[in-house]
Amino acid sequence: GENVEQHPSTLSVQEGDSAVIKCTYSDSASNYFPWYKQELGKRPQLIIDIRSNVGEKKDQRIAVTLNKTAKHFSLHITETQPEDSAVYFCAASGDSGYALNFGKGTSLLVTP
Amino acid sequence: DSGVTQTPKHLITATGQRVTLRCSPRSGDLSVYWYQQSLDQGLQFLIQYYNGEERAKGNILERFSAQQFPDLHSELNLSSLELGDSALYFCASSVYGGSTDTQYFGPGTRLTVL
Repeated sequence: GENVEQHPSTLSVQEGDSAVIKCTYSDSASNYFPWYKQELGKRPQLIIDIRSNVGEKKDQRIAVTLNKTAKHFSLHITETQPEDSAVYFCAASGDSGYALNFGKGTSLLVTP
Repeated sequence: DSGVTQTPKHLITATGQRVTLRCSPRSGDLSVYWYQQSLDQGLQFLIQYYNGEERAKGNILERFSAQQFPDLHSELNLSSLELGDSALYFCASSVYGGSTDTQYFGPGTRLTVL
């Protein structure tokens, strides 16, 4: 089945800096790659997603890039703010399964 | 608010007991997914239903079962509970249940097994 690896597991940045989280996946049939933000005790919230027919997608301070050849995708957050502090999960799904396979998560801390 | 509702919010029970978790999908969504989140295993897919039929199965234990009813709400039944079943259980829903469908998560049910 699909295996999604996520790095780093923790990330600490200063307010205003950029943060980058990287994920790799194993199933070449995967064609959908969402990113979720989860605050403590709350539900995962979709922040951005990308489908395999595009290489990059941007939404204000958040962007995701996808390299299908290398089977990796990344989340970029620019001009980070303290309210960006949370756990971020990448996921992948594809023709071999309808479920989302999640990475282990990255705990992002943005210090003022 | 994602539009997905789950009840109860918290559940405390003893080993060996049986519990039922309930989920109502967003209006118009036909597919429901169940995920388990524990500290050591992260977010793990359990099972998916589409319009009342089971569509995909993940790492769901034999002690666990689920169903989706004609009104599209879903229930996850956990029996012979063990300490290790303590976790957050999330339900998610999507329109068609396809591999590129966006999944929206409910607020979760926190299960504590004592």
